[in-house]
Amino acid sequence: EDQVTQSPEALRLQEGESSSLNCSYTVSGLRGLFWYRQDPGKGPEFLFTLYSAGEEKEKERLKATLTKKESFLHITAPKPEDSATYLCAVGGYSTLTFGKGTMLLVSP
Amino acid sequence: DTEVTQTPKHLVMGMTNKKSLKCEQHMGHRAMYWYKQKAKKPPELMFVYSYEKLSINESVPSRFSPECPNSSLLNLHLHALQPEDSALYLCASSQGVIGTEAFFGQGTRLTVV
Repeated sequence: EDQVTQSPEALRLQEGESSSLNCSYTVSGLRGLFWYRQDPGKGPEFLFTLYSAGEEKEKERLKATLTKKESFLHITAPKPEDSATYLCAVGGYSTLTFGKGTMLLVSP
Repeated sequence: DTEVTQTPKHLVMGMTNKKSLKCEQHMGHRAMYWYKQKAKKPPELMFVYSYEKLSINESVPSRFSPECPNSSLLNLHLHALQPEDSALYLCASSQGVIGTEAFFGQGTRLTVV
């Protein structure tokens, strides 16, 4: 059975304080690893897809990386508007498994 | 354009009402999904349509009835819901089968009274 574990569950940062979110996974046949951002009461907003170990993707202050066992979402010099829940999902064959998310709060 | 549009944004319904949620995408995606999300939980898969045919039903109660009129539209018909069915209902679509890159709509916040 595919499994996704995200850590930490919640993270509080000061504006400008860089950090990383972790997504550990086990899957039989990786189609892709996906990162989403979700604001309260809204649908998940697609951020990145990673397909193979060693791959990296960047968007503004976010950078996602992938190994064979985990993915990291690095947040550089975050701003208050980066506050959200970040969801990791792993695509297998006929499955899409979500982690429980990391709730990020960035204070001014 | 990676937009999935859901209507309505909010819905309050009584336990004897019949209502429908609607979802539309114009990305040419061949798979469409309904998810249910409770507060502080990840999305939970309900149904998958692939090429307009129901391919996955995650043992969802019959009071939820999906429909895919064409490749761009997805409906979820609701009847005799319970208060515990109150949640954020999300529609998503993907070019490939489940497990590939998916894009979500903004959701319908459903409250059953």
